[in-house]
Amino acid sequence: DAGVTQSPTHLIKTRGQQVTLRCSPKSGHDTVSWYQQALGQGPQFIFQYYEEEERQRGNFPDRFSGHQFPNYSSELNVNALLLGDSALYLCASSMQRGGHLVEQFFGPGTRLTVL
Amino acid sequence: AQTVTQSQPEMSVQEAETVTLSCTYDTSESDYYLFWYKQPPSRQMILVIRQEAYKQQNATENRFSVNFQKAAKSFSLKISDSQLGDAAMYFCAYRYYNTDKLIFGTGTRLQVFP
Repeated sequence: DAGVTQSPTHLIKTRGQQVTLRCSPKSGHDTVSWYQQALGQGPQFIFQYYEEEERQRGNFPDRFSGHQFPNYSSELNVNALLLGDSALYLCASSMQRGGHLVEQFFGPGTRLTVL
Repeated sequence: AQTVTQSQPEMSVQEAETVTLSCTYDTSESDYYLFWYKQPPSRQMILVIRQEAYKQQNATENRFSVNFQKAAKSFSLKISDSQLGDAAMYFCAYRYYNTDKLIFGTGTRLQVFP
């Protein structure tokens, strides 16, 4: 079991550019959540995808968008990059069980640097 | 809105000793879950221990245990017999029952000295 995988590991972009980050969930998981972790901070919830739809969203602007594919993998897109978007982006996967406690497994993250 | 506060930016402990990391949270909900996550330099967030709010008994996982005080909204993590591999950032997190959204604190950096 490969666990949650994310690509790329590191990424450098310039202001105004667009970026796409990718996540493959743990085998058997159908839900993917994305978090942004700024340096020295705890992760902040961006949004969650289930059944190819955005199910829940945190306090992030529309520049942050996502997608989930039929194989449950997911992409996070960020448009018009700002310096403040520099962060570690974490993906977490889980399996829906009708509201019962379900552990989320995290990937190793993608470090995005915006210059 | 729910918030999680970790007031200790850094803690240190000697190998084989015990250390306690503090966490307080604020919520008006009665059904929720609390977690402690470990984030080593490899960056991967690893679940250490979890507690369901409806359970009065404190959770324990090997050398890790929690002191859950629901009325005081306090959720501390005790690490016994500390090991060098315990050195990492530790995050306290809250999750409302009917959602997968985790709310994290700002973390505590734990150093373990031989």
